[in-house]
Amino acid sequence: GAVVSQHPSRVICKSGTSVKIECRSLDFQATTMFWYRQFPKQSLMLMATSNEGSKATYEQGVEKDKFLINHASLTLSTLTVTSAHPEDSSFYICSARDPGGPGNIQYFGAGTRLSVL
Amino acid sequence: QQPVQSPQAVILREGEDAVINCSSSKALYSVHWYRQKHGEAPVFLMILLKGGEQKGHEKISASFNEKKQQSSLYLTASQLSYSGTYFCGTEIASGSRLTFGEGTQLTVNP
Repeated sequence: GAVVSQHPSRVICKSGTSVKIECRSLDFQATTMFWYRQFPKQSLMLMATSNEGSKATYEQGVEKDKFLINHASLTLSTLTVTSAHPEDSSFYICSARDPGGPGNIQYFGAGTRLSVL
Repeated sequence: QQPVQSPQAVILREGEDAVINCSSSKALYSVHWYRQKHGEAPVFLMILLKGGEQKGHEKISASFNEKKQQSSLYLTASQLSYSGTYFCGTEIASGSRLTFGEGTQLTVNP
């Protein structure tokens, strides 16, 4: 299957700092990428849909000023957690929709485990 | 609306079979199946488009009953590597967001 790269895999930061997470589609161009948040033993919760060249679409209850998304190219989307606090600690996963395959398959990055002290 | 998966958890011995179900209250365009191991990203298994098709992937196959808006994932002669949490993701229209179920935790013991 297609490859989606996500960095960093783990980050520990102090409360109040900002953290940037990158998501890259390595072997296809993705006009649409997605950002999810996952708590332990729970499902994937969609935070926002990232569209290349336009503003991201945020799900209800997700603060767009807190979670900044930029999709500047067809292969890169970034999520910046601004002024992170301990309650933002979670597993963040990105996915990219492959436009070339059958159906609208999403391929996931390896995830970023964020710990805010 | 989130699809409902059943069972929530299943424990197997190596070589046994299992079925995981995914039901939606809405008409579906497609159903996607993923497997996630602890601390890792979900891995795509297969996609089923409306039309009631059945697909196979090694010893893992799936069906999609469009009338009932249900999909089932079949794991035959399970292997240790099959352990993980299985998620179904449903799409109500082509290009719409995927909505994931709560997941089914599958454990395969020797």
